[in-house]
Amino acid sequence: AQKITQTQPGMFVQEKEAVTLDCTYDTSDPSYGLFWYKQPSSGEMIFLIYQGSYDQQNATEGRYSLNFQKARKSANLVISASQLGDSAMYFCAMRVVGYGNKLVFGAGTILRVKS
Amino acid sequence: DTAVSQTPKYLVTQMGNDKSIKCEQNLGHDTMYWYKQDSKKFLKIMFSYNNKELIINETVPNRFSPKSPDKAHLNLHINSLELGDSAVYFCASSLTGLEGEAFFGQGTRLTVV
Repeated sequence: AQKITQTQPGMFVQEKEAVTLDCTYDTSDPSYGLFWYKQPSSGEMIFLIYQGSYDQQNATEGRYSLNFQKARKSANLVISASQLGDSAMYFCAMRVVGYGNKLVFGAGTILRVKS
Repeated sequence: DTAVSQTPKYLVTQMGNDKSIKCEQNLGHDTMYWYKQDSKKFLKIMFSYNNKELIINETVPNRFSPKSPDKAHLNLHINSLELGDSAVYFCASSLTGLEGEAFFGQGTRLTVV
């Protein structure tokens, strides 16, 4: 079974600072993908970044980077230079091939950016 | 030119009624899903379809019946609605495989009174 754990229910960060949102995962399958999604208060789900289990480099997309530590089974999201618009719920998710292509989500972390 | 569109956005109905939510994607994806987001924001897979075939039914009550008339559509019909069915329901689609991110519809907020 696959499991995603996000241990931070809520986080605060000062505008323009960096913040790390934690995510640990559990799977016995060697081939998997890790995703981060953002859900603002308006409710839509926005894809942010992807990391494959065999990728050698940490994924980056603009101000988002994924700190992938395979041995620790962690896939933390780093947001640099936080902006007020980054205030949202953030979900970590995992996909393992062979399970209907489904994404398994963590419980989410609410991020609040302070001005 | 919305990628994944679901209707309606809001649905308020009485207990015992039957309702449907429609979903369409224009991305050419071969896999479609229904997710339920509860009041604590937890997202849980309900169904996964690949090329119109049901792949996953995650112990969802049989009052919930998905139907996929073609690859681009996945509708959700709910019979005999209960208070506990109140939630946000998301349709999503993706390519089959590890890398393809799932694109989500806007969500349908279902309130059963």
